[in-house]
Amino acid sequence: RKEVEQDPGPFNVPEGATVAFNCTYSNSASQSFFWYRQDCRKEPKLLMSVYSSGNEDGRFTAQLNRASQYISLLIRDSKLSDSATYLCVVNPPGDYKLSFGAGTTVTVRA
Amino acid sequence: EAGVTQSPTHLIKTRGQQVTLRCSPISGHTSVYWYQQALGLGLQFLLWYDEGEERNRGNFPPRFSGRQFPNYSSELNVNALELEDSALYLCASSQIYRGDQPQHFGDGTRLSIL
Repeated sequence: RKEVEQDPGPFNVPEGATVAFNCTYSNSASQSFFWYRQDCRKEPKLLMSVYSSGNEDGRFTAQLNRASQYISLLIRDSKLSDSATYLCVVNPPGDYKLSFGAGTTVTVRA
Repeated sequence: EAGVTQSPTHLIKTRGQQVTLRCSPISGHTSVYWYQQALGLGLQFLLWYDEGEERNRGNFPPRFSGRQFPNYSSELNVNALELEDSALYLCASSQIYRGDQPQHFGDGTRLSIL
């Protein structure tokens, strides 16, 4: 089983819609979680860290569900500029590297 | 504050050649990470350096190597290049390693093997 798994999508949504997707992780003891976004052929950029209590940054909301071992990202009021691949990133305990999911592609259409 | 910088931005090589990629971390960051991202695929962890030492290594052959200098900059060396080495090579940095510290990426070096 992969350390981090994501639905590759694509999720095609109209502007203004809400889109949400999950990411599952295999190591139940993982402590740190992040969402990055990556535009086509560009470097990943940190979108937000994911905290146990869940957190919100503008139109973006991240949640952590430890019992089911997944994190989620919800985007409200989608903008065209939200079109990107969203990477789920997990830091397994005792492992000095981050594990990246393969990404979920979101396309927002006018 | 300057971000992570990588050079060169693009590189074209032929099979069997050797290449060196360079990375300067964000000021104050001591950890440097290297990743490979082949076209259409996810990021694959290559190497992690901290305080001048290699701390961890991904599942790549020994012809992928690197080092970190006293100023925390780093270079990635790839020997005996193969066609499948064509990829975007990304460098990231973070503050002294802690599991809750995110990594910040440079723009990457796009390596093409002919």
